[in-house]
Amino acid sequence: KAGVTQTPRYLIKTRGQQVTLSCSPISGHRSVSWYQQTPGQGLQFLFEYFSETQRNKGNFPGRFSGRQFSNSRSEMNVSTLELGDSALYLCASSFDYLGYTFGSGTRLTVV
Amino acid sequence: TQLLEQSPQFLSIQEGENLTVYCNSSSVFSSLQWYRQEPGEGPVLLVTVVTGGEVKKLKRLTFQFGDARKDSSLHITAAQPGDTGLYLCAGVAGSARQLTFGSGTQLTVLP
Repeated sequence: KAGVTQTPRYLIKTRGQQVTLSCSPISGHRSVSWYQQTPGQGLQFLFEYFSETQRNKGNFPGRFSGRQFSNSRSEMNVSTLELGDSALYLCASSFDYLGYTFGSGTRLTVV
Repeated sequence: TQLLEQSPQFLSIQEGENLTVYCNSSSVFSSLQWYRQEPGEGPVLLVTVVTGGEVKKLKRLTFQFGDARKDSSLHITAAQPGDTGLYLCAGVAGSARQLTFGSGTQLTVLP
């Protein structure tokens, strides 16, 4: 059974640019969540989608957005990138919220 | 805001020793999950505990959920170098569909 696939694995962007990250969940998992991981703040919740609807959002500015498609694949977008957005962005899918399967992440570096 | 305090932050031990990692909160969680993360990869689910007082064993790892569902511990017996990694506790509060992560415990097991 395929795991959670995140693309791309690495990304370097310049301040002010925007970026789109992609996540393909495990087949049958309709919930997709996104997390930001940094050395200083650890893992922080960004948002959660279920059946194309955002059901929960973390404490991040509006520059961070996402969406989910009918096949459960999800994308997150960060606009007007700042240096502080450099992080590992992790996507996780779940069937019943009793356990999450994470992807390998996208390492975003903003220069 | 639910916070999870994890301790210790760093742990370096010799192969064969035992260790315990603690995860504490003032909030009640409906479930508590433990993950292990390798460098450059996403967290991997080890176990989920949902009942106060519950104890689960996974080979040399023993997980316990506090009676009041506010704290949890992970005990590793006879640690091996392969146990090296970042251990993360994460809680789900009520009907919230998001994980609140502890700050993590970086475990190094020396041969």
